[in-house]
Amino acid sequence: GEDVEQSLFLSVREGDSSVINCTYTDSSSTYLYWYKQEPGAGLQLLTYIFSNMDMKQDQRLTVLLNKKDKHLSLRIADTQTGDSAIYFCAESGGYQKVTFGTGTKLQVIP
Amino acid sequence: DAGVIQSPRHEVTEMGQEVTLRCKPISGHDYLFWYRQTMMRGLELLIYFNNNVPIDDSGMPEDRFSAKMPNASFSTLKIQPSEPRDSAVYFCASSLSGGPKTGTDTQYFGPGTRLTVL
Repeated sequence: GEDVEQSLFLSVREGDSSVINCTYTDSSSTYLYWYKQEPGAGLQLLTYIFSNMDMKQDQRLTVLLNKKDKHLSLRIADTQTGDSAIYFCAESGGYQKVTFGTGTKLQVIP
Repeated sequence: DAGVIQSPRHEVTEMGQEVTLRCKPISGHDYLFWYRQTMMRGLELLIYFNNNVPIDDSGMPEDRFSAKMPNASFSTLKIQPSEPRDSAVYFCASSLSGGPKTGTDTQYFGPGTRLTVL
């Protein structure tokens, strides 16, 4: 079945850029997502990218997709303490069932 | 819209008791998902519905778990009898179908129910 993998933990200093990486196995993925989960809350969609795109930028967020290597990354520019959360990579084939990664816990050090 | 609503937000119960978790999806959404999140296993899809019909329940851990969706605006996840290993945060999410061109696989999550079984 589909599999989505992420590193478990990332620590950065406030003001630096954060890069969270993700790999997936399903070559038929149509959408790839990044969700954010703050403590005690549900997952919140940050951004998504179609599989026919290489890059998507949205304010401080940049998503890069290497479809050949099935690699997705999320770059957060000028990381703030409020960005501390768990970030989930996810993929779907356009049929509603979304496969989530294990989540990467981002710690921002003041 | 108020978003996905779940109740209760916290539930503490004793082993062997029946637990019922409730979810109200976003109005108009035709897909509803139940997830379980634990430190050990991460986020697991338990079951999902389309137009109130269960589509895939392969993630339901065992017969002690059951889920229903009697109408488009309400779903329940029941555990009977509950066990300590069921302690987790249970999330409900909903989405709107529309196919790849509209990007509507996006799931909207509720705040979760934190279940503790003693």
